Amino acid sequence: SQELEQSPQSLIVQEGKNLTINCTSSKTLYGLYWYKQKYGEGLIFLMMLQKGGEEKSHEKITAKLDEKKQQSSLHITASQPSHAGIYLCGAGLIIQGAQKLVFGQGTRLTINP
Amino acid sequence: KAGVTQTPRYLIKTRGQQVTLSCSPISGHRSVSWYQQTPGQGLQFLFEYFSETQRNKGNFPGRFSGRQFSNSRSEMNVSTLELGDSALYLCASSLQGVNTEAFFGQGTRLTVV
Repeated sequence: SQELEQSPQSLIVQEGKNLTINCTSSKTLYGLYWYKQKYGEGLIFLMMLQKGGEEKSHEKITAKLDEKKQQSSLHITASQPSHAGIYLCGAGLIIQGAQKLVFGQGTRLTINP
Repeated sequence: KAGVTQTPRYLIKTRGQQVTLSCSPISGHRSVSWYQQTPGQGLQFLFEYFSETQRNKGNFPGRFSGRQFSNSRSEMNVSTLELGDSALYLCASSLQGVNTEAFFGQGTRLTVV
């Protein structure tokens, strides 16, 4: 959606390297979600952040929410081939007077051995 | 605990036909949201149902409709199919909607020929 911008759109990294994906909102965030998707399949829930400054980790993936900047970052440490896929951020935003869960365009991550 | 189940996984329809997709949420979840995913537009919000009532709606034509049953299972219907309706349709299940963890099904791949 235009309300959520992800960067970069695609990323190619060497196995073992660290990487960061950003998600920026044009509106006030009410909850920020991170998902991973393999092509043509459903979204796998990674984590949800709700409070400014909140940071969560799952295995080698860490996400942080900067509510003031209306931004979240997803950081992967020591990347592995299993991390390859499309990462999507989603957020609860007030659009046309209603709270909706909308998504960014996604970041395609490729891990080179 | 069973996950979100979408049926069918794949569907091929002809222009002008109609189609019904089904989504069974996680037990206890009352919110079901539907999304359309295409390479060009990304993940677009269709509508959300909560306790059998449509709570939110995206910017899709009236050909797209849905409903939710008392057991929280939801169906989505698309009438007078167009080629542009070819997409991956995903549903998400959550306890209360936005600001609660949302889990996706594997999706239904609809191809309109």
